Amino acid sequence: EADIYQTPRYLVIGTGKKITLECSQTMGHDKMYWYQQDPGMELHLIHYSYGVNSTEKGDLSSESTVSRIRTEHFPLTLESARPSHTSQYLCASSESWGTGTGELFFGEGSRLTVL
Amino acid sequence: AQKVTQAQTEISVVEKEDVTLDCVYETRDTTYYLFWYKQPPSGELVFLIRRNSFDEQNEISGRYSWNFQKSTSSFNFTITASQVVDSAVYFCALSEDRDDKIIFGKGTRLHILP
Repeated sequence: EADIYQTPRYLVIGTGKKITLECSQTMGHDKMYWYQQDPGMELHLIHYSYGVNSTEKGDLSSESTVSRIRTEHFPLTLESARPSHTSQYLCASSESWGTGTGELFFGEGSRLTVL
Repeated sequence: AQKVTQAQTEISVVEKEDVTLDCVYETRDTTYYLFWYKQPPSGELVFLIRRNSFDEQNEISGRYSWNFQKSTSSFNFTITASQVVDSAVYFCALSEDRDDKIIFGKGTRLHILP
């Protein structure tokens, strides 16, 4: 069973609020990812990290920011939430398999609703 | 830029039929990795397989099999003797060796009818 945890699982907030979605993994994986997924829809990569102090933007433009100060922790922050940010946010981590990226382990997701 | 296309948005088959889910990818790298994931109605993403670009051998795991063809840039997934529990959204994904981005296709929603 994967040891990757996301909190909160569900969050309903008003427009303009600052929120942070937490993601932690206990597997010691260097690579971590944030995906955005609307129900039944494709996963869009919004941020990823190769390791501590490394963060990169994904293919989907996002107003969120991330940080990677510790290997196990990869929080995502929205400074001012808007209704367009309503979605499910999935955190994942991966170890390398020799070369390249191995299996992604996903958290259970954080479902955000902005009113 | 890397790209994954799953042209089949939704497929419905009757239980026990075989079904193939298509995946076509684009990449400029010679070294890359392909994946399939399953997302059942409960929502969690389940890893099914990873294949690197140098290994074109087809793979079989129980009722599941994968056909990797570099000549057509395809990595298709077949379920033999489908079961209702196979109903899910299936995602194909690609990672290039130049970076560690993993890009997903739009997914194929598979309905297995009893």
